[in-house]
Amino acid sequence: GAVVSQHPSWVICKSGTSVKIECRSLDFQATTMFWYRQFPKQSLMLMATSNEGSKATYEQGVEKDKFLINHASLTLSTLTVTSAHPEDSSFYICSARGLAGSGEQYFGPGTRLTVT
Amino acid sequence: DQQVKQNSPSLSVQEGRISILNCDYTNSMFDYFLWYKKYPAEGPTFLISISSIKDKNEDGRFTVFLNKSAKHLSLHIVPSQPGDSAVYFCAASAGSSYDKVIFGPGTSLSVIP
Repeated sequence: GAVVSQHPSWVICKSGTSVKIECRSLDFQATTMFWYRQFPKQSLMLMATSNEGSKATYEQGVEKDKFLINHASLTLSTLTVTSAHPEDSSFYICSARGLAGSGEQYFGPGTRLTVT
Repeated sequence: DQQVKQNSPSLSVQEGRISILNCDYTNSMFDYFLWYKKYPAEGPTFLISISSIKDKNEDGRFTVFLNKSAKHLSLHIVPSQPGDSAVYFCAASAGSSYDKVIFGPGTSLSVIP
């Protein structure tokens, strides 16, 4: 099956610093990747849709200058949380869309970010 | 405004019995529905999906039923096993590109041995 990896799996950083999270599709090419965040005991909230070679599309209320997304290749998308604050602490999950015409998305294992 | 609703935050079922997880949606443009299973600190795993042109899709122990007129779908797991204990998310998408998938809040299923 399709495998999506994320790195790192968990990270602790200080307020004001930036953190980069990588999302890779290991055995398929993903023209579209998605970034979600999940607060404890809540649902996954879509942050942005990332298309290879073009700018990401951000959902309403998500600051594009704070959450920088780069989809550099068909197998790699990165999310950089800039000038992190404690309220950015969350579980960040990426997914990659499978075959065209299907709604199936394959999810990475997630990255736990803690900002102190 | 929640477009995908799962009104039961939790559900407990005896092992071997049927688990029924319910989901309602409000957006009539949704035409593709998915169920995901999620363990703590892990990403969701795709379980089963259904297109709006069908009213039932079955895969092993998992069956999804869709009632378009009621804007309601349900996931049946039978027989339930302890390993099924997880959070189940209902999700929906609209349009031919399937670019956006909207998730419900999830239902935590506990299967009691």
